[in-house]
Amino acid sequence: RKEVEQDPGPFNVPEGATVAFNCTYSNSASQSFFWYRQDCRKEPKLLMSVYSSGNEDGRFTAQLNRASQYISLLIRDSKLSDSATYLCVVNAVRGGAQKLVFGQGTRLTINP
Amino acid sequence: ETGVTQSPTHLIKTRGQQVTLRCSSQSGHNTVSWYQQALGQGPQFIFQYYREEENGRGNFPPRFSGLQFPNYSSELNVNALELDDSALYLCASSSGQGRGTQYFGPGTRLLVL
Repeated sequence: RKEVEQDPGPFNVPEGATVAFNCTYSNSASQSFFWYRQDCRKEPKLLMSVYSSGNEDGRFTAQLNRASQYISLLIRDSKLSDSATYLCVVNAVRGGAQKLVFGQGTRLTINP
Repeated sequence: ETGVTQSPTHLIKTRGQQVTLRCSSQSGHNTVSWYQQALGQGPQFIFQYYREEENGRGNFPPRFSGLQFPNYSSELNVNALELDDSALYLCASSSGQGRGTQYFGPGTRLLVL
């Protein structure tokens, strides 16, 4: 079983729609959770951290359920520029290192 | 821009060859992590360097090795290249053994023929 699992999509939605991504993680000792965004042929960039209380950044809302080991991302009023791959990420400790464990990524295309 | 740079941007090698990839970390960061991203997959952790020492390693064979220099820049070396080593290699710069936010460089795209 993969440490972080997410639906690879692709998701194709019209501009203005609301879209939700989910992922699950297997390591209950994980302490930090993130959503990264990756544009085609570019590096991943931090979109937002995810907290148990839930957090919002403009049109983006992230939620964490530690009991279910489940993370979600909601994008409201989607824009063409939201088209990208969204990576669910958790941290893990390997030796002395805090490494990031990535899901496969969910590809999103917003259509005009 | 993150201030993390990588070179070269693209590279083509043949099976069995050796390759060295380079990463310059963001100013003030003492930790560099390396990741391999195969096509259609998320990045996978290779190893991390903190203050010139390797302090964590993922499930990669010993032919993947690295260095970190006193200025905290880093190299990733891969010996005896295999076709499956074709991937985007990303370095991430951070502080405190990766506890801080990890900022990624643009990556080096390696093709092994």
